[in-house]
Amino acid sequence: EIVLTQSPATLSLSPGERATLSCRASQSVSSYLAWYQQKPGQAPRLLIYDASNRATGIPARFSGSGSGTDFTLTISSLEPEDFAVYYCQQRTNWPTITFGQGTRLEIK
Amino acid sequence: QVQLVESGGGVVQPGGSLRLSCAASGFIFSSYAMHWVRQAPGKGLEWVAFIRYDGNNKYYADSVKGRFTISRDNSKNTLYLQMNSLRAEDTAVYYCAKDDGDDFDYWGQGTLVTVSS
Repeated sequence: EIVLTQSPATLSLSPGERATLSCRASQSVSSYLAWYQQKPGQAPRLLIYDASNRATGIPARFSGSGSGTDFTLTISSLEPEDFAVYYCQQRTNWPTITFGQGTRLEIK
Repeated sequence: QVQLVESGGGVVQPGGSLRLSCAASGFIFSSYAMHWVRQAPGKGLEWVAFIRYDGNNKYYADSVKGRFTISRDNSKNTLYLQMNSLRAEDTAVYYCAKDDGDDFDYWGQGTLVTVSS
């Protein structure tokens, strides 16, 4: 089973700052990696698919990069609504899916 | 617009059973694979089960294999999860999610299952 490790577990930043979240896979997942945002009491929302493609309606301040085993989600300038938990997800062995353990982005 | 509405959650004793439903609308349900994903209180996301668009292929996480059954009724635009032999560790919010061929592009709001005596 492919394990996804996200870092850091918690990231404390202020609005307007740049956020960089990491996701590392235990073996190559090619570009089959997605990022989701989850706010308290809500379902996850797809942000990025295939490592670097923004989903429909996602603001341009969100970007994804990477391939193989190392991936990054970048939020260029944090808005108040961006503070949430972020999960990466791989589908190399689709339809079986694995998620990372999440990174909590909190207001400093 | 796409809507996924789960129902059927509740409190059940260990060893008991429960059936979850997910009513879909706003898209051609019979053309898309579907998944169940769960989230234990305060924890991360865990994929549970997959069913192909026609119901002919199904896959399960090892943690639920042999106890849970995913199914669908395309005439009713509804996805199901039959959960038997429930354990305390099955306590979670259960989400249904639409598979767009790449990832989960739409999720329901979730239904809470609590396994407790």
